Amino acid sequence: AQKVTQAQTEISVVEKEDVTLDCVYETRDTTYYLFWYKQPPSGELVFLIRRNSFDEQNEISGRYSWNFQKSTSSFNFTITASQVVDSAVYFCALSPMYSGGGADGLTFGKGTHIIIHP
Amino acid sequence: GAVVSQHPSWVICKSGTSVKIECRSLDFQATTMFWYRQFPKQSLMLMATSNEGSKATYEQGVEKDKFLINHASLTLSTLTVTSAHPEDSSFYICSAIRLALAKNIQYFGAGTRLSVL
Repeated sequence: AQKVTQAQTEISVVEKEDVTLDCVYETRDTTYYLFWYKQPPSGELVFLIRRNSFDEQNEISGRYSWNFQKSTSSFNFTITASQVVDSAVYFCALSPMYSGGGADGLTFGKGTHIIIHP
Repeated sequence: GAVVSQHPSWVICKSGTSVKIECRSLDFQATTMFWYRQFPKQSLMLMATSNEGSKATYEQGVEKDKFLINHASLTLSTLTVTSAHPEDSSFYICSAIRLALAKNIQYFGAGTRLSVL
C-alpha cells in the first residue's frame, strides 16, 4: 500500500518569507513517481513537478525548489520569497512507475494550505 | 500545457436523479483518464481508472453501479452519478494522461461541485 503524509495542515506567513512544505511517503514499489500539485481556490489542480525515484537531484524552478531524499522517503518543497498569489493548497502525490507504460492513479497527501499575507 | 475540460463546473440536483459529468482532453489524446473525489478540506481520493474502449477499474469501496464511467473516445470520459443522494455531494475531479509524451503526468480538469438536495 502507498501512503503520503503531509504533516503540516496550514502554514501562514508574510509575503517575501520562505515556506517549506514537508512530504513523507511510503511505498513498496522500487520505482515510482513523486509529484507536487497546487490547488488554488478555483479548485483546479496545477501540475508543478514530477520526480523519478532514481533521480535524487534537487531541482529549482524560479522561486520553487524541491529536495528529494530517498533515504528518508521525503520530497520537500520550498517557495522562496513567497507572494500572495502563492496562497493555495499544495498536494504531494505518489504513483508507481511501470516500464510497460501503464499508469496508475495518484495517492495524494492531505494537502498543506499556504496563506501568504501582504 | 495540456488542457482538460470538465463540465459542468457546478450542479445542483434533487435526490434520486442522475447526474452526468464530462471530462475532455482538448488538445491531446488520453488513453487513460482518472476520476477523483474530494470532500471539503480533504485530500483527493481515487475513485476509478478509465481506459478508452474498456471497462473502468474501480477502487475498493467505490460502487460501480452507482458511479458509471464511460470512456468512449480518446478525448472523452464521462462519470454518471446514478440515483444521487445527499451523501454523494462532493467535488469530483477528472484527470487525463497525455499519450506518448510524459508518462504519468496527470493533467486535471477544474472539477465539478455536486450538491444533492
